[in-house]
Amino acid sequence: TQLLEQSPQFLSIQEGENLTVYCNSSSVFSSLQWYRQEPGEGPVLLVTVVTGGEVKKLKRLTFQFGDARKDSSLHITAAQPGDTGLYLCAGGSYNTDKLIFGTGTRLQVFP
Amino acid sequence: ETGVTQTPRHLVMGMTNKKSLKCEQHLGHNAMYWYKQSAKKPLELMFVYNFKEQTENNSVPSRFSPECPNSSHLFLHLHTLQPEDSALYLCASSQRPDGAYEQYFGPGTRLTVT
Repeated sequence: TQLLEQSPQFLSIQEGENLTVYCNSSSVFSSLQWYRQEPGEGPVLLVTVVTGGEVKKLKRLTFQFGDARKDSSLHITAAQPGDTGLYLCAGGSYNTDKLIFGTGTRLQVFP
Repeated sequence: ETGVTQTPRHLVMGMTNKKSLKCEQHLGHNAMYWYKQSAKKPLELMFVYNFKEQTENNSVPSRFSPECPNSSHLFLHLHTLQPEDSALYLCASSQRPDGAYEQYFGPGTRLTVT
């Protein structure tokens, strides 16, 4: 069974701080997607990484796919209250019809 | 706005009621999904449809009955639910039913079973 463990599970920080969220598995994935979910809404796709070692930047968010394509990290620089939400990683594999979602990291950024 | 809409947004139903959840996608995608999201649990895949045909039933109890009349619409018919079925039910779509493709989610239906 493929599992994706995210850490930390919860994170409360002050505005302006930096943080890193980790997504780890013992399985290899063809792609790794990151989503953010705000209260009362569905998850919204942030980024997809597909190449081992790939780094993608989205403003203050930096996403990295591990060299072995088993893990990923999300780093947020100078967090803002608008970054508050549930962050989900999801691993995908070609020729299967499902994404495997991680356990989630709930981030709260206080002004 | 992700291009995937769900109705109703909130639903309260008794254990003997019958209700339906509706999902519509305006993205021209061929695959649609139902997920269940409960507190303290990872997102659980329930059903997958590809070109209206069900390709995955993730051991979901028969009190949940999906229907996909066309590639743009997906329903989840509910009957004789249990209180533990209370959760956020999310619909998603993707270009193809391939785990490598990005999924686009609707806002969900918050279901409470009393």
